[in-house]
Amino acid sequence: SQELEQSPQSLIVQEGKNLTINCTSSKTLYGLYWYKQKYGEGLIFLMMLQKGGEEKSHEKITAKLDEKKQQSSLHITASQPSHAGIYLCGAVLLITSGTYKYIFGTGTRLKVLA
Amino acid sequence: EAQVTQNPRYLITVTGKKLTVTCSQNMNHEYMSWYRQDPGLGLRQIYYSMNVEVTDKGDVPEGYKVSRKEKRNFPLILESPSPNQTSLYFCASSVLGLHSPLHFGNGTRLTVT
Repeated sequence: SQELEQSPQSLIVQEGKNLTINCTSSKTLYGLYWYKQKYGEGLIFLMMLQKGGEEKSHEKITAKLDEKKQQSSLHITASQPSHAGIYLCGAVLLITSGTYKYIFGTGTRLKVLA
Repeated sequence: EAQVTQNPRYLITVTGKKLTVTCSQNMNHEYMSWYRQDPGLGLRQIYYSMNVEVTDKGDVPEGYKVSRKEKRNFPLILESPSPNQTSLYFCASSVLGLHSPLHFGNGTRLTVT
Protein backbone atom coordinates (compact mmCIF):
# COMPACT_ATOMS: atom_id res chain seq x y z
CA SER A 1 0.00 0.00 0.00
CA GLN A 2 1.35 3.46 -0.81
CA GLU A 3 -0.06 4.64 2.49
CA LEU A 4 2.43 2.42 4.27
CA GLU A 5 5.91 2.04 2.84
CA GLN A 6 8.28 -0.62 4.04
CA SER A 7 12.02 -0.67 3.39
CA PRO A 8 14.08 -2.39 2.34
CA GLN A 9 12.06 -4.80 0.22
CA SER A 10 14.63 -7.52 0.74
CA LEU A 11 17.67 -8.01 2.89
CA ILE A 12 20.43 -10.59 2.98
CA VAL A 13 22.71 -10.53 6.01
CA GLN A 14 25.41 -12.71 7.46
CA GLU A 15 24.54 -14.51 10.66
CA GLY A 16 25.45 -12.41 13.66
CA LYS A 17 24.90 -9.07 11.95
CA ASN A 18 22.40 -6.45 13.08
CA LEU A 19 19.70 -5.16 10.79
CA THR A 20 16.87 -2.62 10.70
CA ILE A 21 13.58 -2.61 8.80
CA ASN A 22 11.55 0.57 8.47
CA CYS A 23 7.84 1.21 8.10
CA THR A 24 6.76 4.73 7.13
CA SER A 25 3.33 6.25 6.83
CA SER A 26 2.18 9.53 5.34
CA LYS A 27 -0.52 9.70 8.02
CA THR A 28 -0.58 9.42 11.78
CA LEU A 29 -0.46 5.85 12.98
CA TYR A 30 -3.05 4.90 15.57
CA GLY A 31 -1.55 1.49 16.11
CA LEU A 32 1.45 -0.23 14.59
CA TYR A 33 1.88 -3.99 14.50
CA TRP A 34 4.82 -6.07 13.40
CA TYR A 35 4.28 -9.58 12.03
CA LYS A 36 6.56 -12.29 10.75
CA GLN A 37 5.60 -14.66 7.98
CA LYS A 38 7.39 -17.83 7.03
CA TYR A 39 7.23 -18.45 3.32
CA GLY A 40 3.74 -19.48 2.27
CA GLU A 41 2.43 -19.60 5.81
CA GLY A 42 0.35 -17.41 8.08
CA LEU A 43 1.51 -14.29 9.85
CA ILE A 44 2.69 -14.45 13.43
CA PHE A 45 2.20 -11.38 15.63
CA LEU A 46 5.45 -9.99 17.04
CA MET A 47 4.77 -6.64 18.70
CA MET A 48 2.27 -3.82 18.98
CA LEU A 49 3.13 -0.13 19.43
CA GLN A 50 0.60 2.57 20.12
CA LYS A 51 2.23 5.50 21.81
CA GLY A 52 4.69 7.90 20.23
CA GLY A 53 8.19 7.10 21.47
CA GLU A 54 7.19 3.63 22.56
CA GLU A 55 9.77 0.87 22.33
CA LYS A 56 9.29 -2.86 22.88
CA SER A 57 11.66 -5.78 22.83
CA HIS A 58 11.31 -9.52 22.60
CA GLU A 59 14.43 -11.63 22.66
CA LYS A 60 16.68 -10.05 20.02
CA ILE A 61 14.00 -8.03 18.28
CA THR A 62 13.26 -4.39 19.20
CA ALA A 63 10.54 -2.24 17.69
CA LYS A 64 10.13 1.53 18.07
CA LEU A 65 7.45 4.01 17.13
CA ASP A 66 8.76 7.51 16.58
CA GLU A 67 7.46 10.52 18.49
CA LYS A 68 5.39 11.79 15.61
CA LYS A 69 3.82 8.35 15.18
CA GLN A 70 4.50 8.17 11.48
CA GLN A 71 7.40 5.74 11.35
CA SER A 72 8.36 2.52 13.04
CA SER A 73 11.56 0.53 12.94
CA LEU A 74 12.24 -3.12 13.69
CA HIS A 75 15.76 -3.92 14.76
CA ILE A 76 17.24 -7.40 15.00
CA THR A 77 20.44 -7.80 16.98
CA ALA A 78 22.90 -10.60 16.20
CA SER A 79 20.69 -12.17 13.52
CA GLN A 80 20.25 -15.94 13.32
CA PRO A 81 18.95 -18.22 10.54
CA SER A 82 15.73 -18.58 12.56
CA HIS A 83 15.05 -14.88 11.94
CA ALA A 84 14.65 -15.49 8.22
CA GLY A 85 11.23 -14.82 6.75
CA ILE A 86 9.04 -11.95 5.66
CA TYR A 87 8.44 -9.11 8.10
CA LEU A 88 5.30 -7.05 7.65
CA CYS A 89 4.11 -3.97 9.40
CA GLY A 90 0.40 -3.42 9.85
CA ALA A 91 -1.03 -0.07 10.80
CA VAL A 92 -4.26 1.51 11.85
CA LEU A 93 -4.80 4.79 10.03
CA LEU A 94 -7.50 7.40 10.41
CA ILE A 95 -9.18 7.62 7.01
CA THR A 96 -12.07 9.99 7.67
CA SER A 97 -13.59 11.36 10.82
CA GLY A 98 -14.34 8.35 12.98
CA THR A 99 -13.30 5.82 10.34
CA TYR A 100 -10.17 3.78 10.82
CA LYS A 101 -8.54 1.35 8.43
CA TYR A 102 -6.07 -1.48 8.96
CA ILE A 103 -3.48 -1.74 6.19
CA PHE A 104 -0.24 -3.64 5.65
CA GLY A 105 3.12 -2.80 4.21
CA THR A 106 4.35 -4.92 1.31
CA GLY A 107 6.85 -6.73 3.50
CA THR A 108 10.61 -7.14 3.86
CA ARG A 109 12.07 -10.48 2.86
CA LEU A 110 14.96 -11.36 5.17
CA LYS A 111 17.52 -14.03 4.49
CA VAL A 112 20.22 -14.83 7.04
CA LEU A 113 23.31 -16.63 5.78
CA ALA A 114 24.84 -19.15 8.16
CA GLU B 1 -4.95 -24.35 21.52
CA ALA B 2 -6.12 -20.92 20.41
CA GLN B 3 -6.11 -20.83 16.64
CA VAL B 4 -7.65 -19.80 13.36
CA THR B 5 -8.26 -22.78 11.10
CA GLN B 6 -8.63 -22.49 7.35
CA ASN B 7 -9.51 -25.22 4.93
CA PRO B 8 -8.39 -26.34 2.49
CA ARG B 9 -4.67 -25.42 2.46
CA TYR B 10 -4.41 -25.94 -1.27
CA LEU B 11 -7.11 -25.79 -3.92
CA ILE B 12 -6.96 -26.07 -7.68
CA THR B 13 -10.17 -25.41 -9.54
CA VAL B 14 -11.50 -24.34 -12.92
CA THR B 15 -13.05 -21.07 -13.97
CA GLY B 16 -16.67 -20.74 -12.94
CA LYS B 17 -16.86 -23.58 -10.46
CA LYS B 18 -18.21 -22.28 -7.17
CA LEU B 19 -16.04 -22.86 -4.13
CA THR B 20 -15.97 -22.09 -0.42
CA VAL B 21 -12.96 -21.60 1.81
CA THR B 22 -13.83 -22.16 5.44
CA CYS B 23 -12.44 -20.25 8.41
CA SER B 24 -13.06 -20.99 12.06
CA GLN B 25 -11.63 -19.47 15.23
CA ASN B 26 -11.88 -20.82 18.78
CA MET B 27 -10.99 -17.60 20.66
CA ASN B 28 -14.46 -16.06 20.80
CA HIS B 29 -13.20 -13.11 18.73
CA GLU B 30 -15.79 -10.70 17.41
CA TYR B 31 -13.71 -9.36 14.52
CA MET B 32 -12.85 -11.55 11.53
CA SER B 33 -11.39 -10.68 8.17
CA TRP B 34 -10.26 -12.14 4.86
CA TYR B 35 -7.13 -11.07 2.99
CA ARG B 36 -5.47 -12.03 -0.22
CA GLN B 37 -1.72 -11.84 -0.67
CA ASP B 38 -0.18 -11.30 -4.09
CA PRO B 39 3.47 -10.64 -5.03
CA GLY B 40 4.23 -6.94 -5.09
CA LEU B 41 0.78 -6.02 -3.79
CA GLY B 42 1.05 -7.25 -0.22
CA LEU B 43 -1.96 -8.12 1.88
CA ARG B 44 -5.26 -6.65 0.74
CA GLN B 45 -8.48 -6.91 2.66
CA ILE B 46 -11.42 -8.58 0.93
CA TYR B 47 -14.19 -8.48 3.56
CA TYR B 48 -14.41 -8.09 7.27
CA SER B 49 -16.95 -8.69 10.00
CA MET B 50 -17.26 -6.78 13.27
CA ASN B 51 -19.70 -9.29 14.73
CA VAL B 52 -22.33 -11.91 13.90
CA GLU B 53 -24.49 -10.87 10.94
CA VAL B 54 -22.34 -7.74 10.42
CA THR B 55 -20.08 -7.80 7.37
CA ASP B 56 -18.52 -5.09 5.25
CA LYS B 57 -16.40 -4.71 2.13
CA GLY B 58 -12.68 -4.29 2.27
CA ASP B 59 -10.47 -3.01 -0.51
CA VAL B 60 -10.97 -5.81 -3.05
CA PRO B 61 -14.44 -7.36 -2.53
CA GLU B 62 -15.38 -7.94 -6.19
CA GLY B 63 -16.02 -11.59 -6.96
CA TYR B 64 -16.26 -12.66 -3.33
CA LYS B 65 -19.01 -13.21 -0.79
CA VAL B 66 -18.90 -13.86 2.93
CA SER B 67 -21.32 -14.69 5.69
CA ARG B 68 -21.16 -14.54 9.48
CA LYS B 69 -23.98 -16.60 10.91
CA GLU B 70 -22.00 -17.74 13.93
CA LYS B 71 -19.25 -15.98 15.83
CA ARG B 72 -16.64 -18.66 15.19
CA ASN B 73 -17.11 -19.14 11.43
CA PHE B 74 -16.46 -16.78 8.53
CA PRO B 75 -16.48 -18.61 5.18
CA LEU B 76 -15.27 -17.02 1.96
CA ILE B 77 -17.33 -17.85 -1.12
CA LEU B 78 -16.26 -17.52 -4.73
CA GLU B 79 -19.44 -17.91 -6.77
CA SER B 80 -17.70 -17.97 -10.16
CA PRO B 81 -13.93 -18.03 -9.72
CA SER B 82 -11.71 -16.51 -12.39
CA PRO B 83 -7.95 -16.83 -12.98
CA ASN B 84 -7.32 -13.36 -11.49
CA GLN B 85 -8.48 -14.78 -8.15
CA THR B 86 -5.51 -17.10 -8.06
CA SER B 87 -3.82 -16.04 -4.86
CA LEU B 88 -2.86 -16.89 -1.29
CA TYR B 89 -5.80 -16.25 1.04
CA PHE B 90 -5.68 -15.61 4.77
CA CYS B 91 -8.38 -15.48 7.37
CA ALA B 92 -7.70 -13.48 10.53
CA SER B 93 -9.46 -12.62 13.76
CA SER B 94 -8.95 -10.28 16.68
CA VAL B 95 -10.56 -9.60 20.02
CA LEU B 96 -10.84 -5.81 19.64
CA GLY B 97 -11.18 -5.29 15.93
CA LEU B 98 -8.65 -2.83 14.53
CA HIS B 99 -7.11 -2.04 17.89
CA SER B 100 -5.66 -5.42 18.76
CA PRO B 101 -3.32 -7.87 17.01
CA LEU B 102 -4.67 -10.12 14.30
CA HIS B 103 -4.44 -13.90 14.59
CA PHE B 104 -3.97 -15.47 11.18
CA GLY B 105 -4.81 -18.85 9.74
CA ASN B 106 -2.15 -20.76 7.80
CA GLY B 107 -3.51 -19.70 4.47
CA THR B 108 -5.23 -21.24 1.45
CA ARG B 109 -3.36 -21.30 -1.81
CA LEU B 110 -5.95 -21.11 -4.58
CA THR B 111 -5.24 -21.71 -8.25
CA VAL B 112 -7.98 -21.05 -10.81
CA THR B 113 -7.30 -22.39 -14.29
